[in-house]
Amino acid sequence: GAGVSQTPSNKVTEKGKYVELRCDPISGHTALYWYRQSLGQGPEFLIYFQGTGAADDSGLPNDRFFAVRPEGSVSTLKIQRTERGDSAVYLCASSLASGSNTGELFFGEGSRLTVL
Amino acid sequence: AQSVAQPEDQVNVAEGNPLTVKCTYSVSGNPYLFWYVQYPNRGLQFLLKYITGDNLVKGSYGFEAEFNKSQTSFHLKKPSALVSDSALYFCAVRDGSNYQLIWGAGTKLIIKP
Repeated sequence: GAGVSQTPSNKVTEKGKYVELRCDPISGHTALYWYRQSLGQGPEFLIYFQGTGAADDSGLPNDRFFAVRPEGSVSTLKIQRTERGDSAVYLCASSLASGSNTGELFFGEGSRLTVL
Repeated sequence: AQSVAQPEDQVNVAEGNPLTVKCTYSVSGNPYLFWYVQYPNRGLQFLLKYITGDNLVKGSYGFEAEFNKSQTSFHLKKPSALVSDSALYFCAVRDGSNYQLIWGAGTKLIIKP
């Protein structure tokens, strides 16, 4: 499709389990962002990729969270030893240019993670 | 520190009436301002942006926003609301030297027939 694709759309897991969330950005978009959105709040920045490298991972809450983008396209957000507080909607966005661009972000529909 | 405030959790407007969704911001440099809309079970969609130039910017679906530097505001407006405008609206800001967007908490807009 033409838009940002995120899978799975919903994920229910048990506390302590490992989870992977996938993002397929718009073709040709070099910048990719992960955000987390809790109910009643705006998106919270997690990590930004420019190409294959993580240009800024300052938003990752702790070392249980990790993200990769090995070929500069698809990205995977990985969460180890999940906790109930990790429950949220994880949003992926992509854009055409580098971090200095003034253009808009294109968002996927999100992956809703529920940790029981 | 950069911040965005959307002072209203919810705005109720009758269909056909004008609507305003408020946003104020704080940045250290020149602000880049954005409005996004989120429909139920859908991803965030870009509506409009202010980077430089004319203080009144026009965007998708008939929406517009006015940049007011002295009041550090960027309120979203539409002359005549539609029921289909009902959604969650987010204001976001970044300064020119930083790509990170800072987001408001969102305002739920309800348009009643």
